[in-house]
Amino acid sequence: SYELIQPPSVSVSPGQTATISCSGDKLGDKYVCWYQQKPGQSPVLVIYEDNKRPSGIPERFSGSNSGNTATLTISGTQAMDETDYYCQAWDSSTVIFGGGTKLTVL
Amino acid sequence: QVQLQESGPGLVKPSETLFLTCTVSGGSISNYYWSWIRQSPGKGLEWIGYISYSGSTNYNPSLKSRVTISQDTSKNQFSLKLNSVTAADTAVYYCARDRTDYGGDSANYYYMDLWGKGTTVTVSS
Repeated sequence: SYELIQPPSVSVSPGQTATISCSGDKLGDKYVCWYQQKPGQSPVLVIYEDNKRPSGIPERFSGSNSGNTATLTISGTQAMDETDYYCQAWDSSTVIFGGGTKLTVL
Repeated sequence: QVQLQESGPGLVKPSETLFLTCTVSGGSISNYYWSWIRQSPGKGLEWIGYISYSGSTNYNPSLKSRVTISQDTSKNQFSLKLNSVTAADTAVYYCARDRTDYGGDSANYYYMDLWGKGTTVTVSS
């Protein structure tokens, strides 16, 4: 079965750029989306179809996808961005989630 | 705006059946796909399955033998039934609206753009 691999944790200093990776076999051939999930809340879609932002999502969130790796980039990271992020793709008619990455802003 | 609300028992006994309903308000369940997703305590997201506007379904292979998703368009609801539950099924269960270009038997993209707040289900005697 298809797997998406994310680093368990990523750290970034306030104001710097955070990058969270999501790896999978030939992932660049698939569309990837990203969700942000704050403690005790439901996930929120922040990037879809590799690099599109839903209405209301700040411009500092961007995405890319090529080869075997998709990347969520947060520019000018703020303290409010410290939380969990999940990538997701579609394979063989099933939804696949990455294991999640905890972003720490310190 | 469209809102989703999960409902159902918060406690289910081992070996029994879990049944949850997602009520959609502010819009029709027609013309969309809808999913159930769960999250075990301290763990990541696990997709359970989807139902399309036409009633077709597809499930996570790891749960397929125990899962049924159905819909009631007259009530603007869709439901999850999970048989023979164990403690491993203890989780927060989310319903979500899906966006996809699914046609025929393939799709290029599939994602969830709107989620319910989730409901906690504990499996315990």
